[in-house]
Amino acid sequence: EAGVVQSPRYKIIEKKQPVAFWCNPISGHNTLYWYRQNLGQGPELLIRYENEEAVDDSQLPKDRFSAERLKGVDSTLKIQPAELGDSAVYLCASSPRDRVGVAFFGQGTRLTVV
Amino acid sequence: LAKTTQPISMDSYEGQEVNITCSHNNIATNDYITWYQQFPSQGPRFIIQGYKTKVTNEVASLFIPADRKSSTLSLPRVSLSDTAVYYCLVGDPPMDSNYQLIWGAGTKLIIKP
Repeated sequence: EAGVVQSPRYKIIEKKQPVAFWCNPISGHNTLYWYRQNLGQGPELLIRYENEEAVDDSQLPKDRFSAERLKGVDSTLKIQPAELGDSAVYLCASSPRDRVGVAFFGQGTRLTVV
Repeated sequence: LAKTTQPISMDSYEGQEVNITCSHNNIATNDYITWYQQFPSQGPRFIIQGYKTKVTNEVASLFIPADRKSSTLSLPRVSLSDTAVYYCLVGDPPMDSNYQLIWGAGTKLIIKP
């Protein structure tokens, strides 16, 4: 079974530029998460989807971050414009309906804003 | 949401059993305890989940005392490849539609030869 796939793995952009991350969750997983992880810290939840509905986006900086999950499968996370402080690893994870507390993570996208 | 407390770091040697304890004094009745492992440049990986007493799988064991205010992840006969950060989380995934995992900084485990 394929795991959670994220792309790109690495991204370097200049500040004020836009950037987008893509995630393909495990097939059949209803719940999808986007996390941000800074060096030496645990992941911080940005948004959680149940199918195509964003059920928790309280931690998403909505002035510059946006996300979508079309048809309840793939998801994209966008930052526009990026700031220096956005440099971090962006992780996508998914969970099956019957094991919501168990998240399967992708390898993440390491974003560097210069 | 219950907060967890773990040691920042631990050292051990190959072949030893390693026990990492997590404190969660405010754990709620419906909360489960979940442990993840994270290697550098990778996303966290689920290790084990439990509610009470003892849970064992092919990777680890999880010991939860009767009061559930703490839990201990036990890694038998560790190897160098077990060097990673280990996270303990508590929450109520099956029942809470607004369930949100709150991650601490984890325990950095270093295994020496």
